[in-house]
Amino acid sequence: QQQVKQSPQSLIVQKGGISIINCAYENTAFDYFPWYQQFPGKGPALLIAIRPDVSEKKEGRFTISFNKSAKQFSLHIMDSQPGDSATYFCAASRGGTSYGKLTFGQGTILTVHP
Amino acid sequence: DAGVIQSPRHEVTEMGQEVTLRCKPISGHNSLFWYRQTMMRGLELLIYFNNNVPIDDSGMPEDRFSAKMPNASFSTLKIQPSEPRDSAVYFCASSTGTTREQFFGPGTRLTVL
Repeated sequence: QQQVKQSPQSLIVQKGGISIINCAYENTAFDYFPWYQQFPGKGPALLIAIRPDVSEKKEGRFTISFNKSAKQFSLHIMDSQPGDSATYFCAASRGGTSYGKLTFGQGTILTVHP
Repeated sequence: DAGVIQSPRHEVTEMGQEVTLRCKPISGHNSLFWYRQTMMRGLELLIYFNNNVPIDDSGMPEDRFSAKMPNASFSTLKIQPSEPRDSAVYFCASSTGTTREQFFGPGTRLTVL
C-alpha cells in the first residue's frame, strides 16, 4: 500500500530530446506527488510537485502529468540538457497523521549526452 | 541562509564501533527526517520528528539504531554497534510542517569496515 514504483532505472537521452520518467502508486490516500532531483554528492532537492486535483503542471522545461484513475504520474523534461544529468526520484505522501512523510520511488539515473 | 547542516560529511569506522551522525535543521522548521540511501534499497525513511517528538520510527532497521532530537536545532542518529551493512549515505531533511517540501542536507557517507 505504501509503495511507489518508478521506471526506468536508467535513461540515456541526447541533448535536445525529451526525457520521460514514470511512477505508479498503490495507496489512493496519497494526495501529494513531488519529484526530487539529486546530483552526485548532494542531497535531493525538490524539482516540481503536483496534487491530484490537476492533471498537469508545468514549470519551465519540466512537466508533471498525472493520471488519477490509473494511479500513475510522470515527469517530462523537454529540451533535455547535459546539466539535467542527475538522479530523479518520484515520491508520494498523504495527509493526516502521516503529513510530511514521503515514500520515494527507486530513482532514475538520467544521462543527457551533448 | 544556511541549509540543513550535517556532520561529519564522511565517516570511516570499524565494525562494532559506535557512530553518531549529527544534523542541524533549517531554523524555523519543525519537522526533521532521517533517511538512508543505498544502491540496493534506494532512499529509505528511518525516522521523523515533529516539534522534537518522534512520530514514526518504523523505518529504523533494528535496535542498534537510535535517534534523538533534544531541541529544535539539533538531532542525532546513533548506530551502536555498527556493522558493514550499515555502510550508506545518511541524509537529514527538514520541513516547515505547513508545506510538504523537504530540504535535504548534504549527507554523511558512512563506511563500516
